[in-house]
Amino acid sequence: NAGVTQTPKFRVLKTGQSMTLLCAQDMNHEYMYWYRQDPGMGLRLIHYSVGEGTTAKGEVPDGYNVSRLKKQNFLLGLESAAPSQTSVYFCASSRTRYEQYFGPGTRLTVT
Amino acid sequence: SQKIEQNSEALNIQEGKTATLTCNYTNYSPAYLQWYRQDPGRGPVFLLLIRENEKEKRKERLKVTFDTTLKQSLFHITASQPADSATYLCALFSSNTGKLIFGQGTTLQVKP
Repeated sequence: NAGVTQTPKFRVLKTGQSMTLLCAQDMNHEYMYWYRQDPGMGLRLIHYSVGEGTTAKGEVPDGYNVSRLKKQNFLLGLESAAPSQTSVYFCASSRTRYEQYFGPGTRLTVT
Repeated sequence: SQKIEQNSEALNIQEGKTATLTCNYTNYSPAYLQWYRQDPGRGPVFLLLIRENEKEKRKERLKVTFDTTLKQSLFHITASQPADSATYLCALFSSNTGKLIFGQGTTLQVKP
């Protein structure tokens, strides 16, 4: 099992550009999450999904959109990137709302 | 406002000693609390979960306590090893919000 994988690992964007981060899990988990991690801020929840076809807002959803068309995939989109979105993005999945399994992260820089 | 506080200063200890990390919270009624380990450049890895009606949980060299009166959890690593050096995150699941909220983490450095 690969667990949780994230694509890409690194990305540099210019302000105003768009991109999509892909998260995939092969554990048949119902719940999936997107977090961002910034120095001194800890992990903050952006959006999450409780099952295929569902999405919900987390703590810091502005500027991001998500989709969960297939149970194993959770996409995070940035429509118009801003420097404030420079961060490390982590995807996670869980069978219940308890222990979460995290991916390796995507390091995004917006210039 | 709701807060989770972990010591932002790194904890430096000698190999073989017991490391104790603290997680304090305010204005939460957590159903359960979790501890994760994060190595540089990697995602967090789940270690232990303790429920609000449990006082203590153990797993190998790890021990977690949960005091809902003091609103505090302690995370202990006994017989610490240099390989235990990492950042440790506590996370609370709030029944009110249905979400897992993470602390900022405490970095542990175990010196040989």
